[in-house]
Amino acid sequence: GQNIDQPTEMTATEGAIVQINCTYQTSGFNGLFWYQQHAGEAPTFLSYNVLDGLEEKGRFSSFLSRSKGYSYLLLKELQMKDSASYLCAVRSGGYQKVTFGTGTKLQVIP
Amino acid sequence: GAGVSQTPSNKVTEKGKYVELRCDPISGHTALYWYRQSLGQGPEFLIYFQGTGAADDSGLPNDRFFAVRPEGSVSTLKIQRTERGDSAVYLCASSSGTGQYNEQFFGPGTRLTVL
Repeated sequence: GQNIDQPTEMTATEGAIVQINCTYQTSGFNGLFWYQQHAGEAPTFLSYNVLDGLEEKGRFSSFLSRSKGYSYLLLKELQMKDSASYLCAVRSGGYQKVTFGTGTKLQVIP
Repeated sequence: GAGVSQTPSNKVTEKGKYVELRCDPISGHTALYWYRQSLGQGPEFLIYFQGTGAADDSGLPNDRFFAVRPEGSVSTLKIQRTERGDSAVYLCASSSGTGQYNEQFFGPGTRLTVL
């Protein structure tokens, strides 16, 4: 089976930096995704890591350590519109099943 | 281009009834996923198709749930004898099976309410 853990809620201030952690246990690991989901909307793709290290895309960066089963999403220069749920998802197995964590609800305050 | 579409957007039914939820993936995408999402939770995996075949249906909660993708494009999720606990947003996603990320593209979901 799979186990994906991330904090339930976080609060951060506009303009600041926030780090959202995700730990996972899985067999046949084949990549880790971060998705953003605004309330009442569908998830949208943010980032993907399959090798160890940091991937940077504008204000968003994602880090992966496969040996530790650990990833984080780093959001810089927070904006009010970044208030959303952030979902960690793991792809595994030969048929590429993708399993999501419960999500971290981020609230950005002025 | 057109994204993933799902119909209906909302479905209200009575306990014990049968419902069908439709997903139209992005043209050419070989992989199709169904998820169920309850309020405050992440998407819960139900089933994954690669082409016409169900590659992994381990997430279907019981035999009241069934899904098909007969021509490798449109998929239908079928729920028999609905129960109040089936109420959730049902999300469909597709991916191309190729590309740097091979990420999933989600449809807007079908909100199912069982009274």
